[in-house]
Amino acid sequence: DSGVTQTPKHLITATGQRVTLRCSPRSGDLSVYWYQQSLDQGLQFLIQYYNGEERAKGNILERFSAQQFPDLHSELNLSSLELGDSALYFCASSVESGASYNEQFFGPGTRLTVL
Amino acid sequence: LAKTTQPISMDSYEGQEVNITCSHNNIATNDYITWYQQFPSQGPRFIIQGYKTKVTNEVASLFIPADRKSSTLSLPRVSLSDTAVYYCLVSGASKIIFGSGTRLSIRP
Repeated sequence: DSGVTQTPKHLITATGQRVTLRCSPRSGDLSVYWYQQSLDQGLQFLIQYYNGEERAKGNILERFSAQQFPDLHSELNLSSLELGDSALYFCASSVESGASYNEQFFGPGTRLTVL
Repeated sequence: LAKTTQPISMDSYEGQEVNITCSHNNIATNDYITWYQQFPSQGPRFIIQGYKTKVTNEVASLFIPADRKSSTLSLPRVSLSDTAVYYCLVSGASKIIFGSGTRLSIRP
């Protein structure tokens, strides 16, 4: 158990809908990262927040957005869902941000299925 | 555009040493190199991280040459439970780049 929690574990929805994925980082971690992993694909970095502020941005679509709240939990919002958005979405957390020793701890993921 | 490149797959046998190399030609001065292991339907798990030369912990070693344009993860005496996908990651102040992963299969 990494200490990172993600809810829900599974999510099934229809095209065009909007969903929110939630992540609670490990106690004491200030950075939260979101990743997308499609079937049999590698990890695609989406976005990173550090202590409430956006720190780094990867291949995140304009239909996706995220935020980190004062209690440090984070939410990833996915809108106008398409079939291709079906994937595992991982959240990770770390103490620091970026250019230093920085081990990321990954949650168990949310499996999103868009029908 | 920065990119990391790894072999798609590798096979080995129990008890052997396995070396997986990652190419990161455009690594920046302040970037770190990290390796993660992932089992099916689980989140990746940290293996080792380094900046230059050699780093060793209880499960692996990481070799980084002076030009830092590549790195090699070394797994000593692998077992069947080391069958997994291994990712290298290059990260900096505002950059996070995962490799596409190497699927390592260990045979008895």
